[in-house]
Amino acid sequence: DAKTTQPNSMESNEEEPVHLPCNHSTISGTDYIHWYRQLPSQGPEYVIHGLTSNVNNRMASLAIAEDRKSSTLILHRATLRDAAVYYCILQETYNTDKLIFGTGTRLQVFP
Amino acid sequence: NAGVTQTPKFRILKIGQSMTLQCTQDMNHNYMYWYRQDPGMGLKLIYYSVGAGITDKGEVPNGYNVSRSTTEDFPLRLELAAPSQTSVYFCASSPDDRLRNSPLHFGNGTRLTVT
Repeated sequence: DAKTTQPNSMESNEEEPVHLPCNHSTISGTDYIHWYRQLPSQGPEYVIHGLTSNVNNRMASLAIAEDRKSSTLILHRATLRDAAVYYCILQETYNTDKLIFGTGTRLQVFP
Repeated sequence: NAGVTQTPKFRILKIGQSMTLQCTQDMNHNYMYWYRQDPGMGLKLIYYSVGAGITDKGEVPNGYNVSRSTTEDFPLRLELAAPSQTSVYFCASSPDDRLRNSPLHFGNGTRLTVT
């Protein structure tokens, strides 16, 4: 299975931007990069996904390296409600249609 | 829309007991998934289904069974509960286009303790 590598934890102050990195050096050419987050005591929640180009939505931005071996989830202004575990996941093209979750990055946001 | 609904929210089982975790979705999604999450860990895929009548194993299927007789429902069965099955179980669904352009929708989980 394709794997991703993320830092175990990161910290941020409220209203500052947050850049959450993810390495996926074994990514295949057609694998999508997905980001989910999980708030305490809840199921994971979709954040954003992309293939090659950078992506923006109301929650975040996704910056994908030109060689696609890494990506960065950007929260433009962190709020206390953004404190969660963030998962970077590859959707594998040739291994049926499922997402394999890693252990993610725990983001702490301080007031 | 209710989205993905899981019942029960909590359950305590004795070793060797059986139970069914229920999952239903009202979004007409063909794809459904069962994950488990052990404390402090990421999610591991147990079983998944790409449509009614079709199921397949994920990473950790041992000790579980599933069925998919309707599009809406995807129950997970534990036949002989073991302490190693103590976990939080999440059900998820997604539309037809094979995740590439559609997110997973998760339920709020079932917290199971086996003692």
